[in-house]
Order: sequence, then C-alpha cells, then structure tokens
Amino acid sequence: NAGVTQTPKFRILKIGQSMTLQCTQDMNHNYMYWYRQDPGMGLKLIYYSVGAGITDKGEVPNGYNVSRSTTEDFPLRLELAAPSQTSVYFCASSYSGQGSQYFGPGTRLLVL
Amino acid sequence: AQKVTQAQTEISVVEKEDVTLDCVYETRDTTYYLFWYKQPPSGELVFLIRRNSFDEQNEISGRYSWNFQKSTSSFNFTITASQVVDSAVYFCALSGDSGAGSYQLTFGKGTKLSVIP
Repeated sequence: NAGVTQTPKFRILKIGQSMTLQCTQDMNHNYMYWYRQDPGMGLKLIYYSVGAGITDKGEVPNGYNVSRSTTEDFPLRLELAAPSQTSVYFCASSYSGQGSQYFGPGTRLLVL
Repeated sequence: AQKVTQAQTEISVVEKEDVTLDCVYETRDTTYYLFWYKQPPSGELVFLIRRNSFDEQNEISGRYSWNFQKSTSSFNFTITASQVVDSAVYFCALSGDSGAGSYQLTFGKGTKLSVIP
C-alpha cells in the first residue's frame, strides 16, 4: 500500500514549456486534490475532484488543468509555464469531503 | 470566507520543554473540521489529527495534545517534553460544511518549530 505517489520529484522548466505532474493513489479514495505551497506559506488548493470524470476549480486554478479518468489517477497539467508557477505541488486524497486528506511527497517545480 | 491564523511564525525551544502552537480560525459554518499537519524538513505532509466542531473534548496522543475551544475559535496543539524530531513546520487547517468549503482545506501559514538539543 503506497498511499499517494507523485512524479517527478523535481523538475526545471523553461518559460512557455508544458508538463504534466502525475498523481496516483491506491486507497480507493474518491476525492483527490492538488495544492501548491509557496515559501513561507500554507497550501492553496488548485483543483479538486470528487470522483472519476468530475473536477472543479479551487482557489488558484489559473494556468492549470486537470483530468480524472480513473479513481486512482489525477494528473495536473501546466500548459505554458510561467515563473509564478515555481512552487512545490502536493497531491492529496481523502475518503470523503470532510475526511482526513493524505498527501503525496510533493513535486518541486522551478520555472526559469 | 474561512480563515486560519497561526500567529506564531517561528518558535524555538530547548529539548524537553513543553511548547504550545496556537491556531485561531474563522468560519460561518456550524459544522466544520479542524486538522493539524506536520511538515518535517524532508518536506512531506503528515496528518496528525482531525476534529469535528461538535466534539470539544481535548485529545491526547502520547506527547501530543490538542485543546479545542469553540468559545474562542481556537484549536491549539501542545507538545510535551519536546524532542529534536519534533522540529518541523506545523500547519493548522479548516474544512467547512458549505458547498464550497466541504472539499478544500484552508491552511494557516504554519509555525516553524525548532527544538534545540
């Protein structure tokens, strides 16, 4: 039981490049989330999903897209990377909407 | 709108001292959930506790204890006999029961705890 896994662990992007951050959970959780954490700050929600095929925007969705084709996977897509997207990205999952969220190890992204 | 305030940005204590991390929250929901997470230097987020708004009993887990007071909208976290391994950033978070709040955690900015040997 691996919990929530994220790949890659670290990535450097040039401005304007695109990439997909992968997130997989093996706990059969319906709810999944993407957060970003900027230095000295708490986490801010980018997108979330309440089940396969259903996604919705969080607090800071601009510049990102998500899809949820399976219960296990919730990839986050950056289409045109900008320096403002330099951050640590965390994926999380929970059994219910108010349930405890379990986080992946994070992906550190640097946009230059 | 929901808000979580952790007024202590950084705290340093000497090993074996007790330390309390403060958390004050704002919400209009009558049903809500409060959480504490630990983020050690390695960077992962570790779930510590979840408490619903109807349960004001204090909770103790080993050296950790939590004091939930609705009257003051606070959910404070105390570490007894601190150890070097407790050094981390601790986040308090709030999840509401409204349509928008149900699915997101509102995080405080965190308190960095340094335990000095």
